Amino acid sequence: RKEVEQDPGPFNVPEGATVAFNCTYSNSASQSFFWYRQDCRKEPKLLMSVYSSGNEDGRFTAQLNRASQYISLLIRDSKLSDSATYLCKTGRRALTFGSGTRLQVQP
Amino acid sequence: NAGVMQNPRHLVRRRGQEARLRCSPMKGHSHVYWYRQLPEEGLKFMVYLQKENIIDESGMPKERFSAEFPKEGPSILRIQQVVRGDSAAYFCASSPGNGMNTEAFFGQGTRLTVV
Repeated sequence: RKEVEQDPGPFNVPEGATVAFNCTYSNSASQSFFWYRQDCRKEPKLLMSVYSSGNEDGRFTAQLNRASQYISLLIRDSKLSDSATYLCKTGRRALTFGSGTRLQVQP
Repeated sequence: NAGVMQNPRHLVRRRGQEARLRCSPMKGHSHVYWYRQLPEEGLKFMVYLQKENIIDESGMPKERFSAEFPKEGPSILRIQQVVRGDSAAYFCASSPGNGMNTEAFFGQGTRLTVV
């Protein structure tokens, strides 16, 4: 089993929709969790950290479920500019990334 | 404060040549990570280095690939005798700590094309 797994998508949603992605991790000792965004042919950029108590930043909400060993990212009121690949980072080993979930917001 | 700097941005090599990719971490960062990304695929961890030390090279191919992070100067990812399958984007990231509890920052990547 991979240390970090994500649904590759693509998720095709209309503008204004709410969409959620999950990222499951296998190592229960994982301590840190982050969501990154990667635009086509660009470098990944940090989107937000994931805290035990959850984290909200505008239209974006990240949550951690330790019992089921997954983190989630919720995007409300999707914009065309949200189209990208979303990567989760977790794990005990340095910088273990999921393969990414591709989001395509359509007009 | 300059971000992570990678050069060159684009590199074209003929089969059998050597490719050298450079990464200068952010100021104050002593941990460097290299990733490879094939088209339409995710990031694949290659190697994790601190100054003068390779910490984890479990993602590095056994042959032709090597990496270093000297006391002075940038980190170098070296690919000898390149083959067409080496064509990919190579990203470098740096962090102040060991990356487990800190966010990492990426360079813009080097796109290697082997012809």
